Amino acid sequence: DAGITQSPRYKITETGRQVTLMCHQTWSHSYMFWYRQDLGHGLRLIYYSAAADITDKGEVPDGYVVSRSKTENFPLTLESATRSQTSVYFCASSDYNTGELFFGEGSRLTVL
Amino acid sequence: SQQGEEDPQALSIQEGENATMNCSYKTSINNLQWYRQNSGRGLVHLILIRSNEREKHSGRLRVTLDTSKKSSSLLITASRAADTASYFCAPSGAGSYQLTFGKGTKLSVIP
Repeated sequence: DAGITQSPRYKITETGRQVTLMCHQTWSHSYMFWYRQDLGHGLRLIYYSAAADITDKGEVPDGYVVSRSKTENFPLTLESATRSQTSVYFCASSDYNTGELFFGEGSRLTVL
Repeated sequence: SQQGEEDPQALSIQEGENATMNCSYKTSINNLQWYRQNSGRGLVHLILIRSNEREKHSGRLRVTLDTSKKSSSLLITASRAADTASYFCAPSGAGSYQLTFGKGTKLSVIP
């Protein structure tokens, strides 16, 4: 099915562990994004990518790493999870022509 | 990229009434988009209005843009319980493809 999928949808981990959130899109959109959403903060941009092998920092990149070896995949890694990274993470992709963002359903991460 | 600021933060209305929410931004834009987020779901694109447009319609949605005031409004007419959601605006400047979002307006439509 066409679309953007995130996995896992729910994850519980412990402080200090490495966690990778996956994002896959089937539209071949050039642009992809990672956001986190927390109560009182709205959505904040973590990292974004204009194409394979091109990534840039957003508003809150500290503690996160991204890669984009293939156009369709944009994984987000927390190298050493902290409690402050407990959040809902959204991946999105966009079409260059319209600029419209397509969001995944989110990954809810809890760091104990 | 720049962030829009939605107002009010929360809005509660009866079914059938109109709902109006506003967005302000700080610098010149190419376009402005509105998104909806149902509880626990990802954001969904509603409408995009370009800087040279003043008004745009899509079904029960009406969006206006006043570039002189750096503001936009989203009107939902004849609201339904299913319109209960958070609404976000996202202004976008020339050459900018990343969008940043504010805290949104949380709309509650009471049956």
